[in-house]
Amino acid sequence: DIQMTQSPSSLSASVGDRVTITCRASQGIRRHLNWLQQKPGKAPKLLIYGASTLQSGVPSRFSGSGSGTDFTLTISSLQPEDFATYYCQQSYNTPITFGGGTKVEI
Amino acid sequence: QLQLQESGPGLVKPSETLSLTCSLSGGSISTSNYYGAWIRQPPGKGLESLGSIYYSGSTYYNPSLRSRVTISVDTSKNQFSLKLSSVTAADSAVYYCARGSYTGTYDFFDFWGQGTLVTVSS
Repeated sequence: DIQMTQSPSSLSASVGDRVTITCRASQGIRRHLNWLQQKPGKAPKLLIYGASTLQSGVPSRFSGSGSGTDFTLTISSLQPEDFATYYCQQSYNTPITFGGGTKVEI
Repeated sequence: QLQLQESGPGLVKPSETLSLTCSLSGGSISTSNYYGAWIRQPPGKGLESLGSIYYSGSTYYNPSLRSRVTISVDTSKNQFSLKLSSVTAADSAVYYCARGSYTGTYDFFDFWGQGTLVTVSS
């Protein structure tokens, strides 16, 4: 299985901050990397697929980059509704695997 | 707007079979670009994919669960289902169904059900 490692596991930030979350794959996955956001008690929501393509309806303050083994999710200006847990997920190989999550807290 | 809804018992006894159904409305997985998937999340923990199914009936199962999991599809009812046998407390989790989309290059889960908590306990 491809292991996905996120860092940090949690972070504290303020509204307006620029936030960066990293995800590393245990082997190269080209750009087959998706980012999801999950709020407490809710299902995950797709933010970005293909490492950098913004899903329809997702605000442009979210962006993704990377290829191979190292990927980044950036929130350019953190908004109150962005406090959540973020997961990376690889779709390069089965089984599909997820990172352990990064909790973004106030 | 596609919506997915999980249904099934919230409590299952150890060694029994967990059965859940995902009902789709406002769309389907009955084209080659889409598939259905099951993902679970133990309380306070991360996400684990269980397997997926295409409308043709072709399936993929996570090897960690392969011997216990069965996913089926009923295109006439616009539903797909999960069966997980011989459950233990470790199978207690929120179970999500999701639609997988394939662009020709990338695939991703773009629509999710709200999730249903299944507890394994006697």
